[in-house]
Amino acid sequence: TAGITQAPTSQILAAGRSMTLRCTQDMRHNAMYWYRQDLGLGLRLIHYSNTAGTTGKGEVPDGYSVSRANTDDFPLTLASAVPSQTSVYFCASSEQGPNEQFFGPGTRLTVL
Amino acid sequence: AQSVTQLDSQVPVFEEAPVELRCNYSSSVSVYLFWYVQYPNQGLQLLLKYLSGSTLVESINGFEAEFNKSQTSFHLRKPSVHISDTAEYFCAVTRGVGGTSYGKLTFGQGTILTVHP
Repeated sequence: TAGITQAPTSQILAAGRSMTLRCTQDMRHNAMYWYRQDLGLGLRLIHYSNTAGTTGKGEVPDGYSVSRANTDDFPLTLASAVPSQTSVYFCASSEQGPNEQFFGPGTRLTVL
Repeated sequence: AQSVTQLDSQVPVFEEAPVELRCNYSSSVSVYLFWYVQYPNQGLQLLLKYLSGSTLVESINGFEAEFNKSQTSFHLRKPSVHISDTAEYFCAVTRGVGGTSYGKLTFGQGTILTVHP
């Protein structure tokens, strides 16, 4: 079982360009999440989805958008990247509620 | 809103020594608490969790944490650490049943545990 896959593994992006980070899970979990990890700040929730067809804003949603067309996929889009979006991005999934979240390997994004 | 504070950003210890990683939370409602571990260049993995019942919870690799409601703490301990325990550890909280925050985790800043030989 693959669990959660993320692509790309890393990316260097010019400021102002757009990019979509991909996330796919094969555990049929209802809930999915996007976090960014920055040194000294831990992980901060960007957007989440409790079930296919619904999304919600997390702690730091500005500059990011998500969609949840089906159970397995939860892409994160940066419409116009800025240097402050340089970070490591993690996708996670879980059964709905206070259950264990399973994390992907992360995408390291550098915006220049 | 809930928040989590990990009191130590880095904890260096020698192999076979005991260790405690401190975590305090704030919330006006009941909470569920988690410890996750992140090994270098990997995603996070669940180490242990407190949902209800016994306030002392254990992991399969010798870590334990105790939920202390009066002190709003969930400190992580291990009586004897190994080199392989070197990693970053994150405490996280989510509110109890109900509300828009149900299931969403709030993470602490992380504690880097380095075990020296």
